[in-house]
Amino acid sequence: EADIYQTPRYLVIGTGKKITLECSQTMGHDKMYWYQQDPGMELHLIHYSYGVNSTEKGDLSSESTVSRIRTEHFPLTLESARPSHTSQYLCASSDMGQAFYGYTFGSGTRLTVV
Amino acid sequence: AQSVTQLGSHVSVSEGALVLLRCNYSSSVPPYLFWYVQYPNQGLQLLLKYTSAATLVKGINGFEAEFKKSETSFHLTKPSAHMSDAAEYFCAVSGAGGTSYGKLTFGQGTILTVHP
Repeated sequence: EADIYQTPRYLVIGTGKKITLECSQTMGHDKMYWYQQDPGMELHLIHYSYGVNSTEKGDLSSESTVSRIRTEHFPLTLESARPSHTSQYLCASSDMGQAFYGYTFGSGTRLTVV
Repeated sequence: AQSVTQLGSHVSVSEGALVLLRCNYSSSVPPYLFWYVQYPNQGLQLLLKYTSAATLVKGINGFEAEFKKSETSFHLTKPSAHMSDAAEYFCAVSGAGGTSYGKLTFGQGTILTVHP
């Protein structure tokens, strides 16, 4: 079944640790996105990619970095986690064929930095 | 450029009552419009989409939305609310052509509360 997967679902980690949030999709979508969302709040685009070896920063400045070495994989890394990074992180993907049907979202990773 | 405004960050209804969540957009090109739902600690799930076919769009869970070009609106409705409808709802717009094609801009979200 085609889908988009995020791991871990929940992560509690200490300040200063390096973390990587994983996102993989099995749909062959070229475009992938990372959003940051505080509880009950709007979505903020922090990174996006239009294909392998293509990454761009989004509308909200973020200390995180991303990579896109394979079409299906779009991990997000924080080199040194801080309490201000506590948030939910949502990964999404979309196809850019002849029609646009919107984004498919993963279930999210809720990150808590203590 | 395109933008989306959701009127009312919180909406509260009684179970069985009409649900109306408002969305207005601005777009320099004819848009594609979407409604997503987000349950607590989950990602966003597509409810319905308008992509220039019928102006009244039916989605999952009994929701529907009507595209009104003259009012630049795409309000989401459901005739009878259920407790399970309690969630946050996001309206989103994409241009149907040009540089904004395939790039979603989201509204601020509306939290729907359903009372017994």
